[in-house]
Amino acid sequence: DAEITQSPRHKITETGRQVTLACHQTWNHNNMFWYRQDLGHGLRLIHYSYGVQDTNKGEVSDGYSVSRSNTEDLPLTLESAASSQTSVYFCASSDRKGREYGTDTQYFGPGTRLTVL
Amino acid sequence: GQNIDQPTEMTATEGAIVQINCTYQTSGFNGLFWYQQHAGEAPTFLSYNVLDGLEEKGRFSSFLSRSKGYSYLLLKELQMKDSASYLCAVSSYNTDKLIFGTGTRLQVFP
Repeated sequence: DAEITQSPRHKITETGRQVTLACHQTWNHNNMFWYRQDLGHGLRLIHYSYGVQDTNKGEVSDGYSVSRSNTEDLPLTLESAASSQTSVYFCASSDRKGREYGTDTQYFGPGTRLTVL
Repeated sequence: GQNIDQPTEMTATEGAIVQINCTYQTSGFNGLFWYQQHAGEAPTFLSYNVLDGLEEKGRFSSFLSRSKGYSYLLLKELQMKDSASYLCAVSSYNTDKLIFGTGTRLQVFP
């Protein structure tokens, strides 16, 4: 069955370290998204990609980067981890329809809980 | 800009009916999604409304009024397992992105 996975599921790191969170989907979806979820804020978009070699900034992109070298993977890198980046991170993917067909459903990975000490 | 409002918390009794409201203001509105999220888990898709009206799917129904910028999720015959957060999200014509509300935490009591 097609799925979307994230690794690691839990990560503890120190301030200033570089951290990479992996996201892998076998849906063959064009679109991939990274969100963070914090109490009181809901899901906020960090970066997203509409296809290979395409990346775009979301509403909370400072301190994060992504790259899309193939359809299946969109790793999220925290260049220099900060305590404010302690959060739960979700990756999601969706198919890309033409504008006249509306927006396709996003399917979420299980999440990564990141703690920055 | 975009703004999505939904109540922070709701409580209900097992077997009852509960309605979770969502109001939104967004440019180029395309459609509205509802997701369910149990504590410690990923959001899972419940419904997608593009046209005005009610979409029924088993015990869950979702309603949309585009002119009023309003949607609700109706849960019937509540079960304990329905205790979860319910997320409202809107999409716009010029993007495949979703903008999420902060979610409504529903607690179902026996």
